[in-house]
Formats: sequence, C-alpha cells, structure tokens
Amino acid sequence: GESVGLHLPTLSVQEGDNSIINCAYSNSASDYFIWYKQESGKGPQFIIDIRSNMDKRQGQRVTVLLNKTVKHLSLQIAATQPGDSAVYFCAETRNSGYSTLTFGKGTMLLVSP
Amino acid sequence: NAGVMQNPRHLVRRRGQEARLRCSPMKGHSHVYWYRQLPEEGLKFMVYLQKENIIDESGMPKERFSAEFPKEGPSILRIQQVVRGDSAAYFCASSPSLDSTPDFGPGTRLTVL
Repeated sequence: GESVGLHLPTLSVQEGDNSIINCAYSNSASDYFIWYKQESGKGPQFIIDIRSNMDKRQGQRVTVLLNKTVKHLSLQIAATQPGDSAVYFCAETRNSGYSTLTFGKGTMLLVSP
Repeated sequence: NAGVMQNPRHLVRRRGQEARLRCSPMKGHSHVYWYRQLPEEGLKFMVYLQKENIIDESGMPKERFSAEFPKEGPSILRIQQVVRGDSAAYFCASSPSLDSTPDFGPGTRLTVL
C-alpha cells in the first residue's frame, strides 16, 4: 500500500509463496519500464523490462504486467526465496532514454524461511 | 569482465570539505550516468556523460556539484563545500550505448558530519 512518512512499503511473504509488487508510474508518455532489485549495501540490479507496446513479459520466475490505462506496473515473483529479499524499484523512461530514467520509491520484500 | 567500479565505497566529510567520487565504467562502456539516493528513496538522476562531454546535467544542483568523464581515467563526481543534506548514496551506471540498459555500480555512501 501507500507509504506513510519516510517508511518504505513492505511486503512480507513466506518462502515458496508468490509475491506481487505494485508500482504506479507518473508519466503517461513513458514507453519503457524496468524493474530493479536492490540488496542492502549494493547497487540496483536489472531484473526485467517491458515496452509500452506490450502488456506482459515473462522471465525466469518473474513476470511484469503493464496496464497503461491506469498507469500501473506490477512484478510477480513465483516461488519466492529468501534470496529474493530486497528493495524493488520500478523505473520509467521516454524514448528508451536512460538519462530520463525516473525511479519509484521502492517496495521492500521480506521473505521468511 | 569486471563490473562498474566505484570508490571509495564509504566517504566521511565534515561540512565545508570537498568530496570526490570516482566511477570506472565497465570495459567498452562510454556512457556514464550518476544517480543520488537519499535514505528510503528511489534513485534520482543527476548527470549523463560520454567521454569528455556532459550530455545531460538537468538533475545536477546548480551550485557546488560538478561531473567529468575525461578521455582517460574514471568519471568523477565532485561536491564542493559539502553540507549535511548531501549525505546520500551516489550510484554510477554505465552502458555501451544510449539504448542499452545501464549496469549500476555498488555506490559510494557519503556521510557529512
């Protein structure tokens, strides 16, 4: 859900569950979206991307869904593992230009064994 | 092939001092991006450089901050006369071309006392 104050939204799941992380993006002109995973003390790591001419894309254990009508992006992680615990960011850009990459605030995923 | 390298990983400065953050892009990458991350926030774009050129500095504060990417050597983000509000994690990313997903470095965590 929405964050209050400075605290990140947090999703807590059990190992083996499926996780869904949501993101509302801001710019209706954005045409390229990326999900990043950031572990504590590390830089963001690319997970999966999707262009605006698609509404779904699948990777290994991850699926990204794009709903342009409501400007909503989601990341689904199947069979969540403790190693998936991290902060997940969505990022948007126009014309695939990385200088205009705009990051969301992030969601913390906590996976319990 | 080594990833994006940043040093130092942690930097402590007193108010009024200068901070120099270094980024060595991946081999073959000529595009460098700098982002700043405040605690529990997403990354904010600062500047995009190619060798010897600043392409987009729309995210850079107008004063005290500068960046360079010389023909030889790493990219440098320089912050003069640091203030407590400069305390953040600074991430560098690099890519071989404008339409390639950038790879992020591990970041430099700047603390201003």
